[in-house]
Amino acid sequence: DAGVTQSPTHLIKTRGQQVTLRCSPKSGHDTVSWYQQALGQGPQFIFQYYEEEERQRGNFPDRFSGHQFPNYSSELNVNALLLGDSALYLCASSSGTGGAGSKQYFGPGTRLTVT
Amino acid sequence: QKEVEQNSGPLSVPEGAIASLNCTYSDRGSQSFFWYRQYSGKSPELIMFIYSNGDKEDGRFTAQLNKASQYVSLLIRDSQPSDSATYLCAVNWEYNFNKFYFGSGTKLNVKP
Repeated sequence: DAGVTQSPTHLIKTRGQQVTLRCSPKSGHDTVSWYQQALGQGPQFIFQYYEEEERQRGNFPDRFSGHQFPNYSSELNVNALLLGDSALYLCASSSGTGGAGSKQYFGPGTRLTVT
Repeated sequence: QKEVEQNSGPLSVPEGAIASLNCTYSDRGSQSFFWYRQYSGKSPELIMFIYSNGDKEDGRFTAQLNKASQYVSLLIRDSQPSDSATYLCAVNWEYNFNKFYFGSGTKLNVKP
């Protein structure tokens, strides 16, 4: 049973550039959530995709956008990168109809460094 | 007030002891709670979840929920050096179950 996968593992970008991160959910899951985790902090919710639409969004600027494909995989795009965007980006998959007890499982993450 | 708060630690316990990790939260109705373990440089791993008052046991782990006092705890019995990690508490609410709120985590050190 394949777990959540993310690519790339590490990424180094320059300020002002754009980046795309990718995620494939766990088998049987149809919902993908994206989180940003700065060093020493807990994950911060960016947004969630279900049925190819953004269902929920956290307090992140419009520079952060996403997409979900028919096979449930997802992309996170960040435009006009800032130094403060340097973080571990986590993808979590879950079942969209699980309700409050719905568990989220994380992928290995993408470490983004902005110089 | 933040939705979820945790003591950042570090919490140091000797090998074989019970480690007790706590988390407080804002009361906004029906909630579910999740404990994740995160090793340095790795992603969070789900270890327990609880949504009813009382205790829930899974191997060496026990989650405790006290809604009246608005706290949730994770007990780790017979702590091992391999349990040394950061433990994250997360909560979601019935009215908005898609969105998880995480605490900043408590770092646990288990000394041999």
